[in-house]
Amino acid sequence: DTGVSQNPRHKITKRGQNVTFRCDPISEHNRLYWYRQTLGQGPEFLTYFQNEAQLEKSRLLSDRFSAERPKGSFSTLEIQRTEQGDSAMYLCASRPWAGVNTEAFFGQGTRLTVV
Amino acid sequence: AQSVTQLGSHVSVSEGALVLLRCNYSSSVPPYLFWYVQYPNQGLQLLLKYTTGATLVKGINGFEAEFKKSETSFHLTKPSAHMSDAAEYFCAVSDMDSNYQLIWGAGTKLIIKP
Repeated sequence: DTGVSQNPRHKITKRGQNVTFRCDPISEHNRLYWYRQTLGQGPEFLTYFQNEAQLEKSRLLSDRFSAERPKGSFSTLEIQRTEQGDSAMYLCASRPWAGVNTEAFFGQGTRLTVV
Repeated sequence: AQSVTQLGSHVSVSEGALVLLRCNYSSSVPPYLFWYVQYPNQGLQLLLKYTTGATLVKGINGFEAEFKKSETSFHLTKPSAHMSDAAEYFCAVSDMDSNYQLIWGAGTKLIIKP
């Protein structure tokens, strides 16, 4: 078990560019979550997959954001036409299917800076 | 709707002193409760969790928390603070009404004074 892996760890991009982040969950975990976190705040839910199905998406998520998990393993989060307000830490977490009381295991996050 | 309130965005204690980080939640059904720790530029790591059974839960690094249903609280404590405990701490709740999504508090930054 190598834990949840996120790449890249840091990304600096110019406003208007597209960026894509990758998350590799713990291999036996069916559920995968994306969160956004800004300074001084707790994680803000973005979207959730169970296997390859995207089951829930935050109403706060603009249509510039899209996430995929095509084979039910790794996931990607793409932000199109980035804005300065997108600057944040993007966290990925996974949970096993068995047991609704199980904790989420987090990756180390991708810090996005839009200049 | 479920919510989590962490009293105090910053808590400062001296090394060796008692650590108390407060968490209150709202939930109309039995909750599952979690405390996570986050070091700078890192992801979140589980400290401890309450699901069912014993209301006093022990976690890693000497931390523990007590679920008090009558007070809707799940405060985190540690008898003696270490410099290495300096980090941000997040409380989260999960229950049937939230479809078992984690609802997060805003976090408390723990500062340890030498």
